[in-house]
Amino acid sequence: EDQVTQSPEALRLQEGESSSLNCSYTVSGLRGLFWYRQDPGKGPEFLFTLYSAGEEKEKERLKATLTKKESFLHITAPKPEDSATYLCAVPPKAAGNKLTFGGGTRVLVKP
Amino acid sequence: KAGVTQTPRYLIKTRGQQVTLSCSPISGHRSVSWYQQTPGQGLQFLFEYFSETQRNKGNFPGRFSGRQFSNSRSEMNVSTLELGDSALYLCASSLVVGSSYNEQFFGPGTRLTVL
Repeated sequence: EDQVTQSPEALRLQEGESSSLNCSYTVSGLRGLFWYRQDPGKGPEFLFTLYSAGEEKEKERLKATLTKKESFLHITAPKPEDSATYLCAVPPKAAGNKLTFGGGTRVLVKP
Repeated sequence: KAGVTQTPRYLIKTRGQQVTLSCSPISGHRSVSWYQQTPGQGLQFLFEYFSETQRNKGNFPGRFSGRQFSNSRSEMNVSTLELGDSALYLCASSLVVGSSYNEQFFGPGTRLTVL
């Protein structure tokens, strides 16, 4: 069974203080890894898809990387509006859209 | 392009009642998946519908059911509600092209409270 673990559970940062979030996974055949951002009371917002080890994607202050066992989401010089819960997820090896999510990392950026 | 829409946004029900939630996917998306999100269990997959057929199912009791219509809109139903069914129910749609995997885009969710 696919497993996804995120760490830390929560992260408090000062504005401008860069940091990284970790997503480790155990899957029988990686078909991709997805990062989402979720604000309180809202649905997850798609950020990135990573398909193979060594791949990197960037969007504003966020950069996602992928290795054979884990993915990192780097937040560079964060701003208060980057405060959210960040979720990673993997799809099944077989066809279909049954995403397995990690527990998420709650990020709070203080001004 | 309009995003995924879900109705209603909030619901309050009592134990034993049943509820129906609705989801309209992004135009052109043919796969609709449903998830339950709770503080204790996080995001958990309920089921996926593609071309009006259930393609995948999560580990939830038979009280949870769904269907998809020919226009790709989907509904999920929960019968005999329990207190533990209180959660944010999220719908996600994706574009299915052959056997490729495509990203899922989520709606705003329906907040269900069971009293």
